[in-house]
Amino acid sequence: EAGVTQFPSHSVIEKGQTVTLRCDPISGHDNLYWYRRVMGKEIKFLLHFVKESKQDESGMPNNRFLAERTGGTYSTLKVQPAELEDSGVYFCASSQDFVSEAFFGQGTRLTVV
Amino acid sequence: GDSVTQMEGPVTLSEEAFLTINCTYTATGYPSLFWYVQYPGEGLQLLLKATKADDKGSNKGFEATYRKETTSFHLEKGSVQVSDSAVYFCALWNSGGSNYKLTFGKGTLLTVNP
Repeated sequence: EAGVTQFPSHSVIEKGQTVTLRCDPISGHDNLYWYRRVMGKEIKFLLHFVKESKQDESGMPNNRFLAERTGGTYSTLKVQPAELEDSGVYFCASSQDFVSEAFFGQGTRLTVV
Repeated sequence: GDSVTQMEGPVTLSEEAFLTINCTYTATGYPSLFWYVQYPGEGLQLLLKATKADDKGSNKGFEATYRKETTSFHLEKGSVQVSDSAVYFCALWNSGGSNYKLTFGKGTLLTVNP
């Protein structure tokens, strides 16, 4: 069975541009999470979907970030316009339910120059 | 709020050396504690976990004991291998919430030389 898949693995964009990250969770997992690790710092929670609904988006840094999960399957995280401080590794995770283990993807390394 | 503090690296060891990576936490209630590992080019993988005080999590020769009195969950391995080279993250999940929101430490880069 495929694990959590993230696209792209790397992205380099200029400040002010738009980038869209994609996450395909494990099939059948209703819960999908986004996390981010800025260089040298903690991995921080961004938001949590249950199916297509946002359960908790308390970690989203500002309104330049928009996450969607159409149809409760894959999710996208758009950054528009990107700023230098958005650089980091964005992780996606999915789980079957609230208390089950969350499985992580390999992450997308975003560099804003 | 909840927080995790772990030993900052990088840590460089020779093969077969003993490893300790310290981790302490601050949380209300009774959190579950985890160690995740990220091998080069791969995603985060759960290494081990403990869900209550005095529990010992173990996997692949790694161990960590949930110490509530010292709010710690130190990771240990008696004899490291080159293949253990990775970034290790300590994390907690506070069951007082309603979702699986993990709180992570900053990560510790371990390099094991042959």
